[in-house]
Amino acid sequence: GNSVTQMEGPVTLSEEAFLTINCTYTATGYPSLFWYVQYPGEGLQLLLKATKADDKGSNKGFEATYRKETTSFHLEKGSVQVSDSAVYFCALSDNYGQNFVFGPGTRLSVLP
Amino acid sequence: DAGITQSPRHKVTETGTPVTLRCHQTENHRYMYWYRQDPGHGLRLIHYSYGVKDTDKGEVSDGYSVSRSKTEDFLLTLESATSSQTSVYFCAISDQSQRQVNGYTFGSGTRLTVV
Repeated sequence: GNSVTQMEGPVTLSEEAFLTINCTYTATGYPSLFWYVQYPGEGLQLLLKATKADDKGSNKGFEATYRKETTSFHLEKGSVQVSDSAVYFCALSDNYGQNFVFGPGTRLSVLP
Repeated sequence: DAGITQSPRHKVTETGTPVTLRCHQTENHRYMYWYRQDPGHGLRLIHYSYGVKDTDKGEVSDGYSVSRSKTEDFLLTLESATSSQTSVYFCAISDQSQRQVNGYTFGSGTRLTVV
């Protein structure tokens, strides 16, 4: 079946550091890939997405590129801020939209 | 949150009592979902609905029931709450035709404590 693996963290960085959160997936066909962010005390919010191979999703300075050859969708940001402290979830949807799978989440703490 | 609200936001209840959580949407989306979020387990699907009166079980459905009598409302009921059901519960919605492209929209969650 479909699955998502991501580094569980926690990840602790200093402000303005470079961020990478790894995400790899297993799926048949051509899934869509997503990153969600959950700020403390809130629900999950869609951060970015990519629907086909080589697509790059971007939002709020975050980027992730859909790499079919390595089955990966790593999240990156060049300079993190304290306000980026949150839990980040990688997720996929199969190409029929029938099966949506979340990774376990990665907690990011950014220190001033 | 984009047309989805959960109520209550917080609830404390006693073991053995029934509890109902409500999810209300104004997006007219066909699909609605209930998840629970626990440390070390991430998000786990409890039940979902693909239309009025059409529901199905997720991976952790034991001890929970759901109902959907209207498109906009999806209720989650704990028939007899247990301490293991202490959790944060999230509702999510999705549009059938755009789910692969747009993913899910989540509510703000209900923090339930069973004492």
